[in-house]
Amino acid sequence: DVVMTQSPLSLPVTLGQPASFSCRSSQSLVHSDGNTYLNWFQQRPGQSPRRLIYKISNRDSGVPDRFSGSGSGTDFTLKITRVEAEDVGLYYCMQGTHWPPTFGQGTKVEMK
Amino acid sequence: QVQLQESGPRLVKPSETLSLTCAVSGYSISSGYHWGWIRQSPGKGLECIGSIYHSGNTYYNPSLKSRVTISVDTSKNQFSLRLSSVTAADTAVYYCARGGGSYRTIDYWGQGTLVTVSS
Repeated sequence: DVVMTQSPLSLPVTLGQPASFSCRSSQSLVHSDGNTYLNWFQQRPGQSPRRLIYKISNRDSGVPDRFSGSGSGTDFTLKITRVEAEDVGLYYCMQGTHWPPTFGQGTKVEMK
Repeated sequence: QVQLQESGPRLVKPSETLSLTCAVSGYSISSGYHWGWIRQSPGKGLECIGSIYHSGNTYYNPSLKSRVTISVDTSKNQFSLRLSSVTAADTAVYYCARGGGSYRTIDYWGQGTLVTVSS
């Protein structure tokens, strides 16, 4: 299976400040169809995961534009330009290029 | 708005079979997409169990394949999970979810249901 490694595992943040976290895969996520199936999910306390980003950088409808995804190959990043209180929670990357789909262990975002 | 809702026993005895059903509203399963199950536990994090296409083609995680069956009932617009020979390691929150393109992405999740394996 493709191993997804996220860092840091915990990220204390300050309201209004930027935040950035990393996701690395054990092998390239470029599919033979040319797409890279790297997704980001947010899981608020007590809730199901919610997709924020798909195919590296495509934001879902309703996701604030302060969230952005970037990267290529095996190295990916999710950035929040200005953290808001509602951003507290766990963030997971997930690859869908290789079967089975696999998730990172998550980055916990909490207020300082 | 697509909605998914899991149902089934919350407590299962070791060696028995875990059975869950996911009722889908707001979208017809027979119209497309993959429909699958993901579980989340403190020890293993998020784990994809498998998925089924509306045609009935199934895709299982090799680590669970020998114990998993996913089926679909398009007449009831629901799909189901059966996991046999469960142990305490199968205790987790089980989510049903809709996936696109061979489950390369997941766009809708159910609220999840905690299933505990214990005697």
